[in-house]
Amino acid sequence: GESVGLHLPTLSVQEGDNSIINCAYSNSASDYFIWYKQESGKGPQFIIDIRSNMDKRQGQRVTVLLNKTVKHLSLQIAATQPGDSAVYFCAARRTSGSRLTFGEGTQLTVNP
Amino acid sequence: DVKVTQSSRYLVKRTGEKVFLECVQDMDHENMFWYRQDPGLGLRLIYFSYDVKMKEKGDIPEGYSVSREKKERFSLILESASTNQTSMYLCASSKRGQGRTGELFFGEGSRLTVL
Repeated sequence: GESVGLHLPTLSVQEGDNSIINCAYSNSASDYFIWYKQESGKGPQFIIDIRSNMDKRQGQRVTVLLNKTVKHLSLQIAATQPGDSAVYFCAARRTSGSRLTFGEGTQLTVNP
Repeated sequence: DVKVTQSSRYLVKRTGEKVFLECVQDMDHENMFWYRQDPGLGLRLIYFSYDVKMKEKGDIPEGYSVSREKKERFSLILESASTNQTSMYLCASSKRGQGRTGELFFGEGSRLTVL
């Protein structure tokens, strides 16, 4: 099977700092990974994804890094803003077409 | 804007009651999913459907059933609610071709309390 875990349940940063949220997965056959953001009272929203044939992917202010050797991925948020305060989930897919397995989530708090 | 709508944001039910959670998506997506979200456990898949009248069990189907009579609507049914089914329920949908994964579009959730 697959298990996905986040290293820290909570993370607190100052506004303007960069944030790094980490995630580990268990199955080396995982081939696709997604990060979701869930604001209070809302459903999760897609942020960025990455396939296993890539090491890095960048979006707007976000970067996902994938280290297949140690089965670890991270979400980096540049110049963190108060609106980034949310719970962030990583999810992994073990093989093509199989379901996603979600981690527990990290609560990011941005302090002004 | 794409939208997944869950009919009830908050419900309070009694043990043994039958509960229906409704979900509608307006994106013509083939795939629809029901998750439950609990502190410390993340999102766990209950059931999913790849087409009308098709359903497959997820990781925690016990105590639940689903119905997909129309493409845009996916219902989660608790035949006899129990207190351990108190949770946040999230519906999601995605396009075919993105398989069972890819970008999931989530509803805002239905918080169910069973007394």
